[in-house]
Amino acid sequence: DAMVIQNPRYQVTQFGKPVTLSCSQTLNHNVMYWYQQKSSQAPKLLFHYYDKDFNNEADTPDNFQSRRPNTSFCFLDIRSPGLGDAAMYLCATSKGPGSNTEAFFGQGTRLTVV
Amino acid sequence: EDQVTQSPEALRLQEGESSSLNCSYTVSGLRGLFWYRQDPGKGPEFLFTLYSAGEEKEKERLKATLTKKESFLHITAPKPEDSATYLCAVQENDYKLSFGAGTTVTVRA
Repeated sequence: DAMVIQNPRYQVTQFGKPVTLSCSQTLNHNVMYWYQQKSSQAPKLLFHYYDKDFNNEADTPDNFQSRRPNTSFCFLDIRSPGLGDAAMYLCATSKGPGSNTEAFFGQGTRLTVV
Repeated sequence: EDQVTQSPEALRLQEGESSSLNCSYTVSGLRGLFWYRQDPGKGPEFLFTLYSAGEEKEKERLKATLTKKESFLHITAPKPEDSATYLCAVQENDYKLSFGAGTTVTVRA
């Protein structure tokens, strides 16, 4: 019954070693978001897609990239993780135009950098 | 400049002690305002959407209201299971979704 699925739930990576987090959705939503959330802080928007249109936040480091190969899947690539990139990464989706525009979140991926 | 500001940062309540959380926002072109509940180590869980000033939504002990500049989440007669961080988010015309820092509510039995 899960609607937004993130894999893995926990990821440990080495300093500087590329890592990819994945998100899939069964809602057929147009919009997909990636957020970074550090302890006791607000989720920080990294980027979002409206269909295939990519929208990068101005302060998102170049170290973070994203791919959306189709409606259902979206990936977050961290090219060279640093210790400061340790966080919870949240994927969310929303419908797009029309009513019921709320976003639904996955359970997150907790990234540890060693 | 923060677009979404939540207060207070933390709220400790006795079971049954009603209270309100505030979310103020400064975006133009508001598409919707959302309230979420987040438990430790989990993703935010959707609670309510509010689209226009004057709108109200209720779910169990929670009631959300919206004005042109702020929203309130009222918790009536809370129980320990209502302990969580409550997040407010606003969605703009480009579908960008921006969050406040949240209010952490602790309800003691």
